[in-house]
Amino acid sequence: EPEVTQTPSHQVTQMGQEVILRCVPISNHLYFYWYRQILGQKVEFLVSFYNNEISEKSEIFDDQFSVERPDGSNFTLKIRSTKLEDSAMYFCASIWETQYFGPGTRLLVL
Amino acid sequence: GIQVEQSPPDLILQEGANSTLRCNFSDSVNNLQWFHQNPWGQLINLFYIPSGTKQNGRLSATTVATERYSLLYISSSQTTDSGVYFCAVPDAGNMLTFGGGTRLMVKP
Repeated sequence: EPEVTQTPSHQVTQMGQEVILRCVPISNHLYFYWYRQILGQKVEFLVSFYNNEISEKSEIFDDQFSVERPDGSNFTLKIRSTKLEDSAMYFCASIWETQYFGPGTRLLVL
Repeated sequence: GIQVEQSPPDLILQEGANSTLRCNFSDSVNNLQWFHQNPWGQLINLFYIPSGTKQNGRLSATTVATERYSLLYISSSQTTDSGVYFCAVPDAGNMLTFGGGTRLMVKP
């Protein structure tokens, strides 16, 4: 069964550093999403992406965040200057009737 | 936006027991998903269930869209069922709004 993949599985970074989280959605899916889950809390929507542009974004998705689909298969989330409160699990998802979630990247900002 | 509430927030079961988890949502929806988050943090799709009832092994789910709730039944629970169960419904644009989850612990 096709699946969404994400890399890296874990990342530790220093506050103020840039991080890029990568996702490979399922190949025939057209809508892509990033979600975030702070430890012990519920999963929150960050941004959706369709036709090579952002279609919706939440209040969390401020100027420190950006998304790209650089090569037609990968889908990336960049955090320009990480803060302690960016520590969370980040999930990528793609949709074909139902949303399929990747395994997540656990980001720890020190 | 749409509000999603789950109950109970925490549940402890003895292995072999049955349980029902509830998900209430504040507005009409055209689909609903149930997920199991395992101890490694992965979100596992359990059901896509906009209405009616579906069964998969020991798990089944029922959504009554007109009354804005869904139920997840776990029968003959096993320790591997432990984890957090989330329901999620789409808001405008198909982004999912998640409930707060039910944390289930199944004791041997």
